[in-house]
This record gives sequence, structure tokens and C-alpha cells, in this order.
Amino acid sequence: AQKITQTQPGMFVQEKEAVTLDCTYDTSDQSYGLFWYKQPSSGEMIFLIYQGSYDEQNATEGRYSLNFQKARKSANLVISASQLVDSAMYFCAMRDHSGTYKYIFGTGTRLKVLA
Amino acid sequence: NAGVTQTPKFQVLKTGQSMTLQCAQDMNHNSMYWYRQDPGMGLRLIYYSASEGTTDKGEVPNGYNVSRLNKREFSLRLESAAPSQTSVYFCASSKGSSYNEQFFGPGTRLTVL
Repeated sequence: AQKITQTQPGMFVQEKEAVTLDCTYDTSDQSYGLFWYKQPSSGEMIFLIYQGSYDEQNATEGRYSLNFQKARKSANLVISASQLVDSAMYFCAMRDHSGTYKYIFGTGTRLKVLA
Repeated sequence: NAGVTQTPKFQVLKTGQSMTLQCAQDMNHNSMYWYRQDPGMGLRLIYYSASEGTTDKGEVPNGYNVSRLNKREFSLRLESAAPSQTSVYFCASSKGSSYNEQFFGPGTRLTVL
């Protein structure tokens, strides 16, 4: 069965520093997609970044990058130059390509950026 | 372009009452989803609809029913609400391909007394 594990319930980072949020996944499929979402205190879910299992390059979107290590089954989110607005809950998610249409989410990491 | 809309935003029910949560998307997406979010548990899939005319159970379907009314609308019904259904409910949609992200509605905060 597919599973997403986020082992860091909460993290702190100093403003302007980089931070890595961990995500490991378990799947028997060879083809799948990995996603990161941000949930600020206002509650909405915001898509950040996507990585396909066959993508050779790590995905980047502005200050967000995804450190994809396929052999280790990890898909860590790296936020560079943290800002106060980055304080939020972050969720890692996965969907396989088998056609089940289901997305599996981790339990999330709460990030607090310190001024 | 409203994206994914949900009504109501807040609701308080008494045990045993019924209600329907409404969701609509205007992005012509094929797939729609209902999740519940509880503290420390992330998002858990209740039901989903891969395409118009189909619905399937997710991880926690008990106590819920869904209707995919048309391509735009996907409703979630609680027939007899229980305190364990107190949660924040999110509707989401996606184009349908596995590399497509989901777009989420603003959520409905439901309290069952």
C-alpha cells in the first residue's frame, strides 16, 4: 500500500535561512507523482511543487525546490531564504500512475519562521 | 474564475441531523475529491469521483454519501451526523492525469454537538 511519512511535526527556522522539510514515501509502482502543498493559518491549501518519478532533474519553483532521491524514496522540500510568510503547515502527497486517481497525504510539518 | 467553491463555510449540527456540503469547480476538471482534515492526521480521503458519472470510496467513507451531480458539482452528504464527524472538510478537483495537482476549496468547518 502507498504511504507518505513526514517525521517532523514541527520545525523552526531563522528568517533568511534555508530549511528542509522531510518526506519519505512507499510505493511499489515505478511511475508516480509527488506534490507539496502549503496550508497557512487561514486554512486554504496551496500547491507548491511537483516531481514526477521519471524526472531526472529536481523540480524548482522560485524559492522552493524538491530534493528527489528515488533510491531512498525521499522527496524533501527545500525552502531557500525563508520569509515570515512561509510560516505554515506543509503537506507532502503522492499519486501513482496506475489509474486509481487517489492522492495520499502525509500528516504534515508545521514550520515557524523566526524574525 | 472562482476555482473550487464550497458551501457552507461553517456549520453546527446536532447529533443525528443531516446535511449536504456543496462543492463546485469551474475549471472543467474531470476528477473531484472530498477530504476531511483532523488535527495531527493530515488529509484523509472520504470519496472521490474520477470522472462524471463515477464515484468511489476513499479511506474513511463510513457515515458519508456523495453525488456527482454533473461535471462541475460534487456534493457530500451526512445522513445522521455524529460527533466523530466534527472536522474540516475540503473539496478538491484535478484535471485527472497523475501529474496534475489538485485545486482545493476553502473548506467547511463542521461541528457536531
